[in-house]
This record gives sequence, structure tokens and C-alpha cells, in this order.
Amino acid sequence: KNQVEQSPQSLIILEGKNCTLQCNYTVSPFSNLRWYKQDTGRGPVSLTIMTFSENTKSNGRYTATLDADTKQSSLHITASQLSDSASYICVVNGAGNMLTFGGGTRLMVKP
Amino acid sequence: GAGVSQSPRYKVAKRGQDVALRCDPISGHVSLFWYQQALGQGPEFLTYFQNEAQLDKSGLPSDRFFAERPEGSVSTLKIQRTQQEDSAVYLCASSPRQGQGSYGYTFGSGTRLTVV
Repeated sequence: KNQVEQSPQSLIILEGKNCTLQCNYTVSPFSNLRWYKQDTGRGPVSLTIMTFSENTKSNGRYTATLDADTKQSSLHITASQLSDSASYICVVNGAGNMLTFGGGTRLMVKP
Repeated sequence: GAGVSQSPRYKVAKRGQDVALRCDPISGHVSLFWYQQALGQGPEFLTYFQNEAQLDKSGLPSDRFFAERPEGSVSTLKIQRTQQEDSAVYLCASSPRQGQGSYGYTFGSGTRLTVV
């Protein structure tokens, strides 16, 4: 069964600190992996999309890594800001161009 | 419009009441998807339309859930005889190509349904 597991489920950090969110997947075949940011009361917004051949991709203070061999991805947030408080969802595109969603990591950045 | 628009943003329904949730996809997007997102969870797939054809409804939890997209643009998700476990955020997404995985896949802000 295709699964996407994220850890931790929730995380609290102080403003200005860095953090790393993890995503492990069993989806096969694999087309691409996406990280979404979902603010409270809003729909998910795409941060990065990585294909099989990409190991890392950055979007401002967000850097995603992908190891397709171990089927692991991470999202690193640098110099966190209060506005980074949100849920971060890992999503894998597999067979039939269909997506499998992780349960998300809820990040809270405190001043 | 520039994005996927959903209405209403919030809906409170009494148990047993029927509700209808609307999704306006991005103009020209052929694929439209509905998801159910429980509090603190990731979105769960409900159903998928390609133009007006409902190609996949495997995620609809019961026959109380019904979705349509009669002209291949606006879609409505209807829930009959709502129950408390239906309380969730209902997200709509659209995509310019077939399937969920294409670039340009965009979510709406969702409708938060609370059944009391």
C-alpha cells in the first residue's frame, strides 16, 4: 500500500531557529515529491516539487532534499519566522499521476 | 478567477441536514478533485472529475456523499443527512491536465463544515 509518513507530528521552535521535517514514503513507482505549506484555514500551497533526479531544491528559506534510494525527504527551514507557523504536508506523485498525502507536521514558531 | 474558489468558507449544519459545497476551479482546468481533511490530518481523496466525467469516486465515504460537475467547470459536493463525523474541511483542487500530479495543480481554501 502506498504510504507517506511524516515526523514529527508537531514541533515548537523559537523564532530564528532552524528546523528539519522528515518524510518517508513507500509510493512506487515514483514520479515526484512535493512539500506543501498549509496555513490555518487555508488550502495547501506548493513550496517545492522534486523529481527523481533532483537531490535538493530551495525556495527562499525552505530547502527540500530527496533520497530516492531510501525513499526519504526532508524539509529544512532556516531562520524561522512567526509566519512559518503552519502545517507542512509531504505529497508523493506515483502511479497514474495520483497523489498520496502525508498526515503533515504542525509547526509552531514562538517569539 | 486567478485561483480555485470555494464557498461557503464556513458551514454549520444540524445533524440530519443536507449541505452543498461549491467549487469554482481555475478557468480551463480539466481536472477537479475533492478532498476531506480532518483536524490535524492530511487531505483524504474523495473524488475526481475530468471535465464533466466523474472518473473516480472511490474515496466517497458513503452513499450520502454525492458530487457533480455537469458542465465541466463548477463542481458541487453534496452531503445528505449530515452526521457529526462529517465535520471536516472539504478542499477542492484543480489541475490543467489529467490526474493530480501535473504541474499547476492548485488547492482552494476549503469549506469548514461543522455538524452539530
